[in-house]
Order: sequence, then C-alpha cells, then structure tokens
Amino acid sequence: NAGVTQTPKFRVLKTGQSMTLLCAQDMNHEYMYWYRQDPGMGLRLIHYSVGEGTTAKGEVPDGYNVSRLKKQNFLLGLESAAPSQTSVYFCASRATAYRSGANVLTFGAGSRLTVL
Amino acid sequence: AQSVTQLDSHVSVSEGTPVLLRCNYSSSYSPSLFWYVQHPNKGLQLLLKYTSAATLVKGINGFEAEFKKSETSFHLTKPSAHMSDAAEYFCVVRGGGADGLTFGKGTHLIIQP
Repeated sequence: NAGVTQTPKFRVLKTGQSMTLLCAQDMNHEYMYWYRQDPGMGLRLIHYSVGEGTTAKGEVPDGYNVSRLKKQNFLLGLESAAPSQTSVYFCASRATAYRSGANVLTFGAGSRLTVL
Repeated sequence: AQSVTQLDSHVSVSEGTPVLLRCNYSSSYSPSLFWYVQHPNKGLQLLLKYTSAATLVKGINGFEAEFKKSETSFHLTKPSAHMSDAAEYFCVVRGGGADGLTFGKGTHLIIQP
C-alpha cells in the first residue's frame, strides 16, 4: 500500500552512539516531517522539509540532524545519542497547499528508540 | 501563532454510551482543525478535518466534530462507543506556514465492557 515507511521500527543504542532513521514516502509529497512522541507531551516537531534539498528546524531540533537528498526520503540522524532522546519517532508527509488533501498528514508507523 | 488544549488526558466510557472528547484552540489565522486517532503501537490516522466549510464535520467510524468559532472549540463526539474505539486521540490545529501544525497532548479513550 502507498504511504510512509519508517526503518528501523525498533532500535536500542548506548549513550554516545550514532544512528539514522529513514523515512520513505511514495505519494510524491513535497513536505516531510519528523516528530517525537513522549508520554503526556503529544507530538513535537523536530525538523521538517518543504522540498528536496531543503530542511528547517522545528520545536525541538537540538541533538538531531536531517537531510532530504531525494524527494521521497527524509533522514533523521542522531550524532551522539543521549537518554533524553529515548522516544517514539514519527515521520509524516503531506502535499503542498495547492494539491488535493494538502492539509492532511500521512504518518508512518513509528520508530521506537531506546538510549541506554 | 496557534495552540490547542485537550481538556481531558483520559476519558472512560462504557461500551454503547456516547463519547465526548474536548478540544479548544487558538489561532491567529482562520484555522484548519483535525482529529487524529492512534491505536496502540500504530501511527496516527486522520479521523476528520474542518477547513472552513460545514461546521459539523463527519469522519470515519461514526465520529463527528463541530466547529464553534464563538467558543473556540472543536469537540469530538460519537453516539455509541465501541471497544475498537479505545485509542489515543489528538486534536490538531493548522495555522500558517509549512510547519504550522500544532498537536494537543492527546486524550486516552478507555472503553469499559
């Protein structure tokens, strides 16, 4: 089925290790987002991208980097993982304002990251 | 700037009884409003959306929400709860800009048999 695919689904890291989460969408959406979800906090925006080659900071960008080298992929990197980054990470995408369904986010199934 | 407040962190109802999940918002723009549902260990799925057309919006699985500008509210309702409705529900407001989506902290809906 078309949609947003995140890999990996689960990962355990030690403090200081690095890793990359991959998000891939096949809907030709221009906008892509990375959120983190923590209990009682809702979803908080980490970084987002409005198109290939562009990225921007969201509400909680510190400790994360992103890249959007291809339109369909949005990578989230942790250079030096910390226990505070233990969370569930969600990728989402949507079309631009002038396309049908532009305001609606399509979410991936999530990536659960534990940092020890 | 916009914000959204979900007034209850947990709501518990009996199967077959009505559901009410409350959401208040603030927005500098004419807002778009959404409700998303998240079942355990799943991603978020759109339930319904309001984008300045009819104020009563019908969504999937029998849910609906009414946009009340005077009360700045967008409460989610369902006439009769089903066990499969047990999930986390998020109210979302969209103002301006590509990043202009603000999520509420969520309401955990519990359905008692």
